[in-house]
Amino acid sequence: GAVVSQHPSWVICKSGTSVKIECRSLDFQATTMFWYRQFPKQSLMLMATSNEGSKATYEQGVEKDKFLINHASLTLSTLTVTSAHPEDSSFYICSAPRGAIYGYTFGSGTRLTVV
Amino acid sequence: AQSVTQPDIHITVSEGASLELRCNYSYGATPYLFWYVQSPGQGLQLLLKYFSGDTLVQGIKGFEAEFKRSQSSFNLRKPSVHWSDAAEYFCAVGWRGNMLTFGGGTRLMVKP
Repeated sequence: GAVVSQHPSWVICKSGTSVKIECRSLDFQATTMFWYRQFPKQSLMLMATSNEGSKATYEQGVEKDKFLINHASLTLSTLTVTSAHPEDSSFYICSAPRGAIYGYTFGSGTRLTVV
Repeated sequence: AQSVTQPDIHITVSEGASLELRCNYSYGATPYLFWYVQSPGQGLQLLLKYFSGDTLVQGIKGFEAEFKRSQSSFNLRKPSVHWSDAAEYFCAVGWRGNMLTFGGGTRLMVKP
């Protein structure tokens, strides 16, 4: 079946540093990737939508300069958290739509802890 | 705008008892409907989905869900809950490759 490989699974970084999260579609071409954030004990909230070859679309309230999204190829979308702060600590998960048969394929998620 | 409501934040059931988790949605048309389960610290696992056709959908782990258009609902059921079913359950709606909108989630606890 369709797989989205997300790395890293977890990362701890110091305040002020940047962290890159990768989502790679292994056996299909993902022209679109949705990036979600989940704070502890809360639901998943859409942060942004990336489309291959074009600029990402950010949801209201999400800082585009802080959460850099790149979708340079049909198999790779990346989210870079720049100048991370403790309030950015969260669970980040990507998802690629797969059409009427498969629905959506999710990555396994990245738990980011900023200390 | 679309929205998904899961009225029950927490539910506790005894092992072996039946379970029903509620989900109501607001959408311009009949969307694609999903139920996911998330164990602590883990990603999402798809339990079942509804796109069209038979309104009673069978999923994995003995779960089923029924789509009721008149009530804009997609409730999840299981006839006999196992301790391993304790987790967070999310209902979600989407449409033709657009983003998924998630409900707030229902945390299921199972008593021995």
